[in-house]
Order: sequence, then structure tokens, then C-alpha cells
Amino acid sequence: DTAVSQTPKYLVTQMGNDKSIKCEQNLGHDTMYWYKQDSKKFLKIMFSYNNKELIINETVPNRFSPKSPDKAHLNLHINSLELGDSAVYFCASSRTSGGIDTQYFGPGTRLTVL
Amino acid sequence: ELKVEQNPLFLSMQEGKNYTIYCNYSTTSDRLYWYRQDPGKSLESLFVLLSNGAVKQEGRLMASLDTKARLSTLHITAAVHDLSATYFCAVDSQGAQKLVFGQGTRLTINP
Repeated sequence: DTAVSQTPKYLVTQMGNDKSIKCEQNLGHDTMYWYKQDSKKFLKIMFSYNNKELIINETVPNRFSPKSPDKAHLNLHINSLELGDSAVYFCASSRTSGGIDTQYFGPGTRLTVL
Repeated sequence: ELKVEQNPLFLSMQEGKNYTIYCNYSTTSDRLYWYRQDPGKSLESLFVLLSNGAVKQEGRLMASLDTKARLSTLHITAAVHDLSATYFCAVDSQGAQKLVFGQGTRLTINP
């Protein structure tokens, strides 16, 4: 049973295209996140949603638009892809427990923009 | 703004040796996490440290937290090759409802 799943695992596309990454968690968690991990392995939060409500929106270009249709899903749509968007994108989820509980990460989506 | 710094960033060691990874953070927090990442893989939760003086151990890894010094350590005892990975600490940015990650320490253990 996969706790946090993402699709696709690999995504290769041309500059200027629009693409989406999907994430689903079956842990019953209330909060979901998107992280970007760059080529130097640095991991930075992009967005978080709690019960479908946007909680965190870091300084991310507005070409990136998250969408949470329900508590178990958080998708990431990227418009007009640029070379600098190449990275690994991780989805994560956690319970809401009056603070930040342990986050469980998905397998990652490696995005390559040519 | 919370900043989290790990050192060393790269560590190559021999099997059987002991070593420590350090995680310093810049503002008050009483919740710290350690994660492991294997090459090309996801992040796996290792430890959650929730209070000053907390110590957790799992196998050859032991993590501790000193909130007054704003320091956590991950100690590796008698390293084995299977522990080769990148280790991240992450600190709860209180009030901001997010984790801030350190840069990661890439650990290579040579037979």
C-alpha cells in the first residue's frame, strides 16, 4: 500500500509547455505539501494545503498553480515551463496536530525541461 | 527568518568508525526532524525530536536536541556501508506552519 503516490515519476518536456503532476495520499492526513529539490539537493517548500485550503504559498512564480480537489489529493500545474524548472518535485502529507507532525514524502517527480 | 545549517555537507568515512553530523538553526523551535534520502529516492523519516534534551536511537543512529543551543546532532556508531545516504535535518518554523530543511549531509561509507 503506497502511502503518498505521485504521477508521473519522470517528466521530460520542452520549454514553453504546460504540465501537471498529481499527488495522492491514503494516510488520512489533513495537510499536503509540494517541495522542490534542486540539483544541489536543496529542498524548499513551495505550497501547503490544509483541508483543501491554501496555507503556505512561498515565493513561487505564478506559473505554478496548486489545486486540491479534496483532502487526499494535491496537484501541481506548471505553465510555460522554463529551463530553471528542472528539478525533482516531492509531494508530502502530515496530520494536523497543533503543530507540524512528521511529513511523509512521495517518491518524487523528476522534471526535465529541454 | 529561520535558517538551518548542517555540517559537514560531505562526509566520507570508513566502516566501523564513529562520526557526528551537526544541525544548527537560527530561531527558537522545539521540534526537529531527521530524514534520510537514498540516491534517486524519496525522503524517509528517521527521528522526531520534540523537546530540549530529547534523545532518540535506532540501530547505529542516535539523534539529540539541545533547544537552548539550537543544535541537533546525528551520531553514527560503527558505520556500515548501508548507512550511505544524504541526511537532512528539518526544523519546525513556529507560527509559519512549515519545515525548513538544512542543506543535507552526503554520507559515504567505504568498506
